[in-house]
Order: sequence, then C-alpha cells, then structure tokens
Amino acid sequence: AQKVTQAQTEISVVEKEDVTLDCVYETRDTTYYLFWYKQPPSGELVFLIRRNSFDEQNEISGRYSWNFQKSTSSFNFTITASQVVDSAVYFCALSLRVDSSYKLIFGSGTRLLVRP
Amino acid sequence: EAQVTQNPRYLITVTGKKLTVTCSQNMNHEYMSWYRQDPGLGLRQIYYSMNVEVTDKGDVPEGYKVSRKEKRNFPLILESPSPNQTSLYFCASWGLDYNQPQHFGDGTRLSIL
Repeated sequence: AQKVTQAQTEISVVEKEDVTLDCVYETRDTTYYLFWYKQPPSGELVFLIRRNSFDEQNEISGRYSWNFQKSTSSFNFTITASQVVDSAVYFCALSLRVDSSYKLIFGSGTRLLVRP
Repeated sequence: EAQVTQNPRYLITVTGKKLTVTCSQNMNHEYMSWYRQDPGLGLRQIYYSMNVEVTDKGDVPEGYKVSRKEKRNFPLILESPSPNQTSLYFCASWGLDYNQPQHFGDGTRLSIL
C-alpha cells in the first residue's frame, strides 16, 4: 500500500517554541519523492521542499529543517523558534511512478497553531 | 511572474448544471494535475496530465473530466455536479526537473446545492 500518515491532527505551541511535524510514508518503490507544503489561513498551497529517495541529506532553510530517514520511512519537519506567521496546515506528500502514471499522495495534514 | 491561475475562485451552483473550472500555467510545465481538498482527507488527486493529449486518472476521478489540448491549459469539467463534489479544488503544475518546485493555483471553492 502507498500511504502518507500525519498522525498529529493539530499542534498548539507558544511562540518561540520549537515544533516537529511528523510524516511517515509507505511505499515499496525505491524511487520516489517527498514533499512538504504549507497552507496558511488564506488557503493557498505553498511548496516548501522536495526530496528524492536517494538523497537522505537533511536540509535546513532558515528556521525550517527536514529530517529524512529511509530506515524509518519518515520525513519530519521542524520549525525552530516558531512564530505566529507559522500558523497553518502543513501537508506531507509522496510522489511516485505507477506504470506510466505519476501519482501524488498527500497526508491528511497537521494544523499548527502558534500562540503569541 | 510564474503563475497557476484558476477560475473561478468561488462558485455556488445547483445539482446537474454543467460547470468548468479553468486552469492555466505560464511556466511551460509538462505536468499538470487537479486535486480536491476535504476536511480530514488532505488533498486527493482527481486527474493529471503528463503532456498535451496525455491524461490519466488519479484517486478520485468519478464525476470529473479533463482535457489537455494545449500545454498551458488543463480545465476540470463537472458534467453533472452533485453535492458530494462540494469541495476546495486545486490545480498544480510542475516540470520534469525534480529540483523545480510544484506550483499550485489559489484554489476554487465549489458549492453544489
């Protein structure tokens, strides 16, 4: 089965706290891509990061960092020193080829609320 | 400016009245896709296209049609809308290079009464 699980439905933190959003995926494919998207209250989807299955190097972009571990099929996202503007729904997604098709599977999302 | 443009942004209509949601991208992307977003279910892929005249079903294609006659446009057609198609719809496009980000439109909120 191909699946993305974001077990945390909602997380609430106080500003300046660090927060980690979990993402666990399932696939038997050896080649796939993983994504994170942010959906702020205004509703649009903002691309954050894409990783391929052969690149397990962790990535840091400002206050954002991503930890990709194939051994545990996880692609977790950490926000350091959270800010109110980080309040949004965050989606993890898995992209892979199925025959000649191209499939993108989203998790159900984690709603992050950062309180002042 | 790189853009995916969806229209309309909001639509309230009635069961059975055919409607089309347009999607256009200006990045010469090969891939385009439609998703619907429902509470607790995340985004689910409806249809996608790998290039002109090449389309395929996603996870929830029932009740929808698409076409890709030109590279930039990928309209979503609801021939006979029903209330269970009330949802938030997103169009996306992306290129062949995996380092390019995917681009999403701003969403279309459809209400079928």
